[in-house]
Amino acid sequence: QLQLQESGPGLVKPSETLSLICTVSGGSITVIGYYWGWIRQPPGKGLEWIGNIYYSGRTDYNPSLKSRAAISVDTSKNQFSLNLTSVTAADTAVYYCARLRAGYAGYWGQGTLVTVSS
Amino acid sequence: QSALTQPPSASGSPGQSVTISCTGTSSDVGGYNYVSWYQQHPDNPPKLMIFEVSKRPSGVPDRFSASKSGNTASLTVSGLQAEDEADYYCSSYAASNNYVFGTGTKVTVL
Repeated sequence: QLQLQESGPGLVKPSETLSLICTVSGGSITVIGYYWGWIRQPPGKGLEWIGNIYYSGRTDYNPSLKSRAAISVDTSKNQFSLNLTSVTAADTAVYYCARLRAGYAGYWGQGTLVTVSS
Repeated sequence: QSALTQPPSASGSPGQSVTISCTGTSSDVGGYNYVSWYQQHPDNPPKLMIFEVSKRPSGVPDRFSASKSGNTASLTVSGLQAEDEADYYCSSYAASNNYVFGTGTKVTVL
């Protein structure tokens, strides 16, 4: 059974960089046809897609976050990562990693709350 | 890209049906047959309920059905049960491997 697990600091200071890792187990991150993505949800609000990466390294981003987001993949560790620069309080959210294919996210991590505060 | 529009809330009594709409544009919902629906209970990650407009993943009850017409997709939950009370989000592919989510609908079982 495929499992995804987010990890990283739960508290980030304003203007700094938010860094998260998603570890994939029970399956390979190099599987053909699947993308690996980050989605976030501010407390009490809706879902927002951040971006995807393919195992080859190809990335796609939400235009509203493109200038601040960077997703990378480490196939040797079966992990992919998110860096979000110059964070503000508006970036406080539960961050989910997920496996995507043909427009849907079939597997999700449990999510990790990241709070931006000094 | 703007969020897809969903009604904030919907409700029904046990055994009844509830339908949730999801309105986008020709650049997302109307342009691709890649609409999906997610159920989210409090403090849990979203769960995929429908993909590719109307397909159900294994394990999802057939009480959940969905369709699309033009720029609007719809999710219907028939035979409402207490455990169906949750937030529901639609999502659509939106070109260049982008995705957009709906604003979310809180379903209450009366």
